Amino acid sequence: DAGITQSPRYKITETGRQVTLMCHQTWSHSYMFWYRQDLGHGLRLIYYSAAADITDKGEVPDGYVVSRSKTENFPLTLESATRSQTSVYFCASSDNVGSYEQYFGPGTRLTVT
Amino acid sequence: AQSVTQPDIHITVSEGASLELRCNYSYGATPYLFWYVQSPGQGLQLLLKYFSGDTLVQGIKGFEAEFKRSQSSFNLRKPSVHWSDAAEYFCAVSGSARQLTFGSGTQLTVLP
Repeated sequence: DAGITQSPRYKITETGRQVTLMCHQTWSHSYMFWYRQDLGHGLRLIYYSAAADITDKGEVPDGYVVSRSKTENFPLTLESATRSQTSVYFCASSDNVGSYEQYFGPGTRLTVT
Repeated sequence: AQSVTQPDIHITVSEGASLELRCNYSYGATPYLFWYVQSPGQGLQLLLKYFSGDTLVQGIKGFEAEFKRSQSSFNLRKPSVHWSDAAEYFCAVSGSARQLTFGSGTQLTVLP
């Protein structure tokens, strides 16, 4: 199916474990983004990527790592999960012409115990 | 740095009543502004956007928003609210690298 997908949709992990959240888009959009959503904070940008092999930090990057070897994929890795990283994570994509509109995936609910 | 303020955490309106959700932004240049809606357990859906031109923009589901540069505001309005409009609404401003800065959201409750 076309669009932007995230996997897994739900994940429970333990403190200290590494976990990777996947994001895949079929539009060949240049830009991709990772946000986390926490009550009272809205969505905050973790990392973004303007193209394959180009990534940059957002507002809250600490504890996260990203890579983008292919245009369509933008995985987010928590190298050593902490309870403060319990959140809902959204991936988004945007093309590089005109609209600046971002298209959001369905989200991954991550719980760190 | 850019920022967005949504002063109302929670708003309750009766079905059929009018609605206005407030949004104030801070950005050094001409802003690109957005309103998104999020239903429970769902992702974000774009309601409308402002880039330039007419300061009154129309969106989906009967929503509109007015950009007022002098007040640094981009308030969302709907003349008659439906029960299905109950959701959380986010205002956002786009930076130069297309990243979005969101407000903290306004939760809308619609009474029958």
